[in-house]
Amino acid sequence: QVQLQESGPGLVKPSQTLSLTCTVSGGSISSGSYYWSWIRQPAGKGLEWIGRIYTSGSTNYNPSLKSRVTISVDTSKNQFSLKLSSVTAADTAVYYCASGTTTVGSFGLDYWGQGTLVTVSS
Amino acid sequence: SYELTQPPSVSVSPGQTARITCSGDALPKQYAYWYQQKPGQAPVLVIYKDSERPSGIPERFSGSSSGTTVTLTISGVQAEDEADYYCQSADSSGTYGVFGGGTKLTVL
Repeated sequence: QVQLQESGPGLVKPSQTLSLTCTVSGGSISSGSYYWSWIRQPAGKGLEWIGRIYTSGSTNYNPSLKSRVTISVDTSKNQFSLKLSSVTAADTAVYYCASGTTTVGSFGLDYWGQGTLVTVSS
Repeated sequence: SYELTQPPSVSVSPGQTARITCSGDALPKQYAYWYQQKPGQAPVLVIYKDSERPSGIPERFSGSSSGTTVTLTISGVQAEDEADYYCQSADSSGTYGVFGGGTKLTVL
């Protein structure tokens, strides 16, 4: 059973880069056919798909965020990471890491972290 | 960019059937997924590949697809089913994912 845990600063200044890490337990991040994803949710609003990285290392990003987003994997630490540059108050949200296997379809997410609140403010 | 459209709210009495729709032009080409989210919790996958149910999800949850619309059906709604429900799919090329705006299910 895969378990995910987000970590990173809860407060980021405007124009800086938001950096979050998701630690994977209960399985190897480099084994099997997994998609490792990031999703966010502003307070009181809906879910927004940010992007994902496949076990092979290939990535897909939300077109509206693509110019500012980088998702990467650190196999030695069994972690994957999100970097979002040039943040503004509009990037304030709960950020979730999530994963899915090809069994549930290429975009299904059957494992989620608990989420971490990131506030963008000076 | 691509969008999925859900009704903002649906209300049903206990024991009745709730139907939540999700519309999108690429749904005939891409699978749909449904998530249940209760306040303060992470979403939970309740339907994948249009109509498949993950283990541990009650049988009263089912999904169907017809053209550009997919539907989540909850039969015999219980009080514990009160939550926000989100559909998810991908653009027609399968390049990026997208969520619907969410539907708040109220059990009267």
